[in-house]
Amino acid sequence: GDSVTQMEGPVTLSEEAFLTINCTYTATGYPSLFWYVQYPGEGLQLLLKATKADDKGSNKGFEATYRKETTSFHLEKGSVQVSDSAVYFCALSPYSNQAGTALIFGKGTTLSVSS
Amino acid sequence: NAGVTQTPKFRVLKTGQSMTLLCAQDMNHEYMYWYRQDPGMGLRLIHYSVGEGTTAKGEVPDGYNVSRLKKQNFLLGLESAAPSQTSVYFCASEGEGSSYNEQFFGPGTRLTVL
Repeated sequence: GDSVTQMEGPVTLSEEAFLTINCTYTATGYPSLFWYVQYPGEGLQLLLKATKADDKGSNKGFEATYRKETTSFHLEKGSVQVSDSAVYFCALSPYSNQAGTALIFGKGTTLSVSS
Repeated sequence: NAGVTQTPKFRVLKTGQSMTLLCAQDMNHEYMYWYRQDPGMGLRLIHYSVGEGTTAKGEVPDGYNVSRLKKQNFLLGLESAAPSQTSVYFCASEGEGSSYNEQFFGPGTRLTVL
């Protein structure tokens, strides 16, 4: 079945460092891909998404490009801040533009940024 | 506009007790989901609903029941709680059109079963 694999954490960085969190997926169809962020004590918030190959999602300085050839959707940010400390989840929806399909999540990567 | 709300935020149960978790959304979304989040496991789907009056099983449905009597509400029930159901429970809703596949999450309910 479809699945998502993301790098194990925790990831510990200093402020202004470059961030990469790797995410790869397995899917039989044409999925949509997402990054969600969970701040301490809160629910998940959508960070960015991409619905087809070569799409780049971006938000709040974070970016991820949907790479069909490598089945990847790595999250990047050029300069992290302490306020970026959170758990990041990569997820896929097996069928783009078809509502009512549950998301498949990776296990999450904890990011800790120190000043 | 509150988005997705969940009640209660925290609960401690004894083994064998029952309880109902309430999820409410004010976005007129058709689709609603219940997930559980366990350390190192990500989120796993318990049950979901594609519309008022409909429910379906997800990946880990055993020990849970759900109901969607009103479009805006999705209830998750535990009839006889077990320690294995200690988890954080998240509800999510999803609309159609431009927000296809975008799920909006509630703040979660942290449940401990002793």
